[in-house]
Amino acid sequence: DGGITQSPKYLFRKEGQNVTLSCEQNLNHDAMYWYRQDPGQGLRLIYYSQIVNDFQKGDIAEGYSVSREKKESFPLTVTSAQKNPTAFYLCASSLGVLTDTQYFGPGTRLTVL
Amino acid sequence: RKEVEQDPGPFNVPEGATVAFNCTYSNSASQSFFWYRQDCRKEPKLLMSVYSSGNEDGRFTAQLNRASQYISLLIRDSKLSDSATYLCVVDTGRRALTFGSGTRLQVQP
Repeated sequence: DGGITQSPKYLFRKEGQNVTLSCEQNLNHDAMYWYRQDPGQGLRLIYYSQIVNDFQKGDIAEGYSVSREKKESFPLTVTSAQKNPTAFYLCASSLGVLTDTQYFGPGTRLTVL
Repeated sequence: RKEVEQDPGPFNVPEGATVAFNCTYSNSASQSFFWYRQDCRKEPKLLMSVYSSGNEDGRFTAQLNRASQYISLLIRDSKLSDSATYLCVVDTGRRALTFGSGTRLQVQP
């Protein structure tokens, strides 16, 4: 079954802790993305990557970091520098160019206690 | 002006009704357009791409009006299962695709 997986589904962290969200895809897609969604809001782009070992900041990259060491994997770290990290985090991938159709994973709901 | 703008709704319609949503975009050079559907607390899923000549998929029709810079989604014979938030997605020429904030549809029995 091809698709995008994200883990964990729910994550709780204490203030001041870094946490890493996993995103894996087996669709053989080149491009991957991370979005944040707050209640009643649209998706905001955090980071994206077009190829392995390369990634670019999106609109709200501050307080986040990513890596792209493998084509299949694009983990997101939410650092303690992120002022308001409680949100729904969505990972997506697309075949090639950044304007291709994006397919989403099921998301991780992060709550900071 | 926002890059991609949608009426947030909610649109409350009875089963069987026809409902239409519009979405305006600011970049006249945009080339790629999509409608996604997002159920409550779930990930967005592609509903349909929007082509220049307009396209239909069952009860759903998408249209593009380049002159006025908007895309539309028409849903005929609404079902209870159509209740969701509909996201307009546009290539705004900046980075990746830009997602609108969504229009909420509630179909009532």
